[in-house]
Amino acid sequence: KNQVEQSPQSLIILEGKNCTLQCNYTVSPFSNLRWYKQDTGRGPVSLTIMTFSENTKSNGRYTATLDADTKQSSLHITASQLSDSASYICVALPSGGYQKVTFGTGTKLQVIP
Amino acid sequence: NAGVTQTPKFRVLKTGQSMTLLCAQDMNHEYMYWYRQDPGMGLRLIHYSVGEGTTAKGEVPDGYNVSRLKKQNFLLGLESAAPSQTSVYFCASKRQKEADTQYFGPGTRLTVL
Repeated sequence: KNQVEQSPQSLIILEGKNCTLQCNYTVSPFSNLRWYKQDTGRGPVSLTIMTFSENTKSNGRYTATLDADTKQSSLHITASQLSDSASYICVALPSGGYQKVTFGTGTKLQVIP
Repeated sequence: NAGVTQTPKFRVLKTGQSMTLLCAQDMNHEYMYWYRQDPGMGLRLIHYSVGEGTTAKGEVPDGYNVSRLKKQNFLLGLESAAPSQTSVYFCASKRQKEADTQYFGPGTRLTVL
């Protein structure tokens, strides 16, 4: 069964600090991995999309890495801001269609002043 | 562009009542999806559509029906609501390519008493 596990479940950091969120997946055959940001009460918003051949992808202060061999991904947030407070969801997509996508349960990040 | 919009934003139903959730997108996307999000769980796919006039079941389709009569609209129906259908419902759309971005609506919070 395809699975996506994220850690930690929740995290509190001081404004200006960096943090790294982890994602382990067991999806086969693998197509691509996505990170979403979901603000409270809003829909998820795409941050990065990485295919099998990509190791890293950046979107502003967000940098995602992918190790397809170990089936691990991480999302690094640099110089955190209060607006980074949100849930971050890892999504693994197998080949064969988006209907088989598996969403992680998310890491809830709180950035405090 | 309004992106993906959902109607209504909130709704309270009594057990056994019926209702329809409307999703509309103005990006001319072929693919549309309905998900539910429950506490402690990742988003789960209810139904999806790969084009006007076509629909298919996702991971948790029981108790729901859908229709895609127009390309820009995707309707989710609950014929006889149950308390287990209390959830936040998200609609999403994307273009055909597997690695394309998926855009989510703002969500509908449904409570079934």
